[in-house]
Amino acid sequence: DAKTTQPPSMDCAEGRAANLPCNHSTISGNEYVYWYRQIHSQGPQYIIHGLKNNETNEMASLIITEDRKSSTLILPHATLRDTAVYYCIVSRGKYNFNKFYFGSGTKLNVKP
Amino acid sequence: NAGVTQTPKFRVLKTGQSMTLLCAQDMNHEYMYWYRQDPGMGLRLIHYSVGEGTTAKGEVPDGYNVSRLKKQNFLLGLESAAPSQTSVYFCASREGRSETQYFGPGTRLLVL
Repeated sequence: DAKTTQPPSMDCAEGRAANLPCNHSTISGNEYVYWYRQIHSQGPQYIIHGLKNNETNEMASLIITEDRKSSTLILPHATLRDTAVYYCIVSRGKYNFNKFYFGSGTKLNVKP
Repeated sequence: NAGVTQTPKFRVLKTGQSMTLLCAQDMNHEYMYWYRQDPGMGLRLIHYSVGEGTTAKGEVPDGYNVSRLKKQNFLLGLESAAPSQTSVYFCASREGRSETQYFGPGTRLLVL
């Protein structure tokens, strides 16, 4: 599975959009981009995933560049409860038993 | 519907002792996973299972054994605990057709 690179930390003002970048320059054609988050020391929580099209759900939007070498997770209106570590994962998903390799992630600090 | 539960929540072991961590899920999921998370780092996959009676190695399997005798349970065993196995252990499960892994609350293990 391709490796990902994320900034170690970011700040965001409450109510503003949080844009979390992820680089995955070695991604292959059959690999998906997944985002999970871990609030405090709880178990990670699924946010969203995509292959090449932009995706949106009730939690966030995922924007994948045309060459698929990078992506951005967007939390449209960040709240204090969105303070967490956000992990960007690249994986062949179901075609590789959904084995995930988590990096260090980005610590998002949402400030009042 | 309790989701994914883990037993125990916290345990202290002496070097050389053995123990078993239990993961249980009530969602009838086919896939189950064991991860470990060391301080300040992301999760690393230890072992996984694609169905009852089957297990496979992940990224860091050494020093651990697993069993999946029942579909709803996935056991992680440490035969002879070492201080390097001090970590937080997370279990996850997934339905076969879904891309989403559901994580348990974690087990904190301290090996002295």
